[in-house]
Amino acid sequence: AQSVSQHNHHVILSEAASLELGCNYSYGGTVNLFWYVQYPGQHLQLLLKYFSGDPLVKGIKGFEAEFIKSKFSFNLRKPSVQWSDTAEYFCAVNAGAAGNKLTFGGGTRVLVKP
Amino acid sequence: DAGVIQSPRHEVTEMGQEVTLRCKPISGHDYLFWYRQTMMRGLELLIYFNNNVPIDDSGMPEDRFSAKMPNASFSTLKIQPSEPRDSAVYFCASTTLLTRANYGYTFGSGTRLTVV
Repeated sequence: AQSVSQHNHHVILSEAASLELGCNYSYGGTVNLFWYVQYPGQHLQLLLKYFSGDPLVKGIKGFEAEFIKSKFSFNLRKPSVQWSDTAEYFCAVNAGAAGNKLTFGGGTRVLVKP
Repeated sequence: DAGVIQSPRHEVTEMGQEVTLRCKPISGHDYLFWYRQTMMRGLELLIYFNNNVPIDDSGMPEDRFSAKMPNASFSTLKIQPSEPRDSAVYFCASTTLLTRANYGYTFGSGTRLTVV
């Protein structure tokens, strides 16, 4: 069964700092990868997705993620965070054999201090 | 489109009572998912439907939980009897077949359930 690991449960940083959130998955075949964001009190929203092609994916709000197949990783980055980036971030994977089923990581809570 | 609509937004109930959560997916989406979110367990997939048929219910915690999708525009998640440990935020999400062209799941705003 596919699984997704997000190793950082909580991240605290100051505005303008750079952010990188780790995501590793366990599945040897073709995968589709996603990052979702959940702002306080809100539902999950899609940040970016990877299906194929350029492994560096750009999403909304200045976020990007890099798919490294050899490392089974899909890390999320943002060069300079803002206070409004305070949220919980979820990595998710859809493996080819799982149909439309998304498996989510445990999430990383990010607090950006003004 | 109004997005995925869930009701109620908040539900407080007493232990032992029946609770019914409702979801209206986006029109044209043929997949519907129920997730539960807690601090301890994160986001857990409970069950999902394709074309109104349950495909995978392996995440349903126990027989107290049941879900139905009588038509393409409505689904319910029922807990009977409810217990305090069922307190969580329950999200519904819908999608079509995941391809580059679509945008993955669309989530509803969730139902925050508190069982006292």
